[in-house]
This record gives sequence, C-alpha cells and structure tokens, in this order.
Amino acid sequence: DVKVTQSSRYLVKRTGEKVFLECVQDMDHENMFWYRQDPGLGLRLIYFSYDVKMKEKGDIPEGYSVSREKKERFSLILESASTNQTSMYLCASTVDSYSNQPQHFGDGTRLSIL
Amino acid sequence: AQTVTQSQPEMSVQEAETVTLSCTYDTSESDYYLFWYKQPPSRQMILVIRQEAYKQQNATENRFSVNFQKAAKSFSLKISDSQLGDAAMYFCAYRSRNRDDKIIFGKGTRLHILP
Repeated sequence: DVKVTQSSRYLVKRTGEKVFLECVQDMDHENMFWYRQDPGLGLRLIYFSYDVKMKEKGDIPEGYSVSREKKERFSLILESASTNQTSMYLCASTVDSYSNQPQHFGDGTRLSIL
Repeated sequence: AQTVTQSQPEMSVQEAETVTLSCTYDTSESDYYLFWYKQPPSRQMILVIRQEAYKQQNATENRFSVNFQKAAKSFSLKISDSQLGDAAMYFCAYRSRNRDDKIIFGKGTRLHILP
C-alpha cells in the first residue's frame, strides 16, 4: 500500500513564524499535492509538483511556497504565518498524470496559528 | 474551468438503510475520471469508488455504487445497508485525463448514520 506520511498531526505556531510542513511518500510517485481543508470550503489546492524541482501554483498559493528537492518529499512553507492560515493541511500523491489511479492522502496536519 | 457541486452539506440515514449522495459537475471535456472519497472523523481520506467517463457501466464496490449520467453531468453515490462505520465526510472529485493532474473537489457532504 502507498504510504503518505505527514510529519505532524498537530502543530501550533505563532504569527510571523516561518512554518515547514513535510510530506513523504514511499511509492515513487511522480506527482505530489498540498491542499488546505476548511469547513464549508472543501479541499483547495495550494501547490502541486510533477517532478523534482518542479512546482505549479494551485488555486490559493498566496502566502505559501513549496520545495521538492527529492522525488519522495514535498514540503509546504508558510513564509510568515498568519492567523488566516489556521487550517487542516493535506498532502497527496499520484503515480503519474495519465493513469486512472486516485490520489493517496496523508493523515493531515492540523495547524493553528496564534 | 471545471467545477464540482455537492448540494447536500449534511445528510442522515438510519443504520441498514440506503442513502444517495448527490454530485454534479461542469466540464467541456469528454474524457475524465470521477471519484468519491471518504474522510472519517480524524482519519485519512481514502478512495471509495472511481468511474472513467468513457465507461457507460456504473462502477460498483461492494455496498457502494454510483449512478453516472454523463449527459446530465451527474455522479451520485449510493450506499446500501448503511453501517456506523460509513459515517464520514464524502467528497466528490473530478480529474481530467490531460497532462494536468489536478483534481477538483466538491465541498463535501457530511453523512451521519443513526443507530
């Protein structure tokens, strides 16, 4: 089974801090994604990556950046955390862009910005 | 741009009964995938069922089945013999078959199972 591991289940940070959320997948998937999930808004795509060192903006990239130095790891960075970034963050991966395989999700990181 | 709409924010069903969750989508593409994901409380999101748009036959996975109406752009999920473990948030999702692997999610339907 595919394993997508997010480094923290719960995280509390302060306004203005630089925050790193880490995600690792163990199945050599090409594509990785970061979403945030908020009540009533569903999942919104922040950034995604098709390959190492490649990144694409999703629907809500403002205030975030990403890093993919290795194929298995995709990091989400909050450059200067703000209270409106308090949310559940989900990482996902897919084998590639062409198959019918679904996205595999991590357990999520519930981030609180105080 | 593609959109996915789940018109029912919350639903309840009696244990052992059947429930149908609605999903409609908008796209100009002819070839795509549709998914239903389940997210139990405080647990990982997992795939429930998938449907390729070119297939006319509705997908089925045990107690879960879909009613895929391509012309109407409708993709509802039917859960038969509902169980307490089915209580979760359910997301309908759309994915194009082109190079862009982005998935478009609906806002979700929270399903409660009444004992």
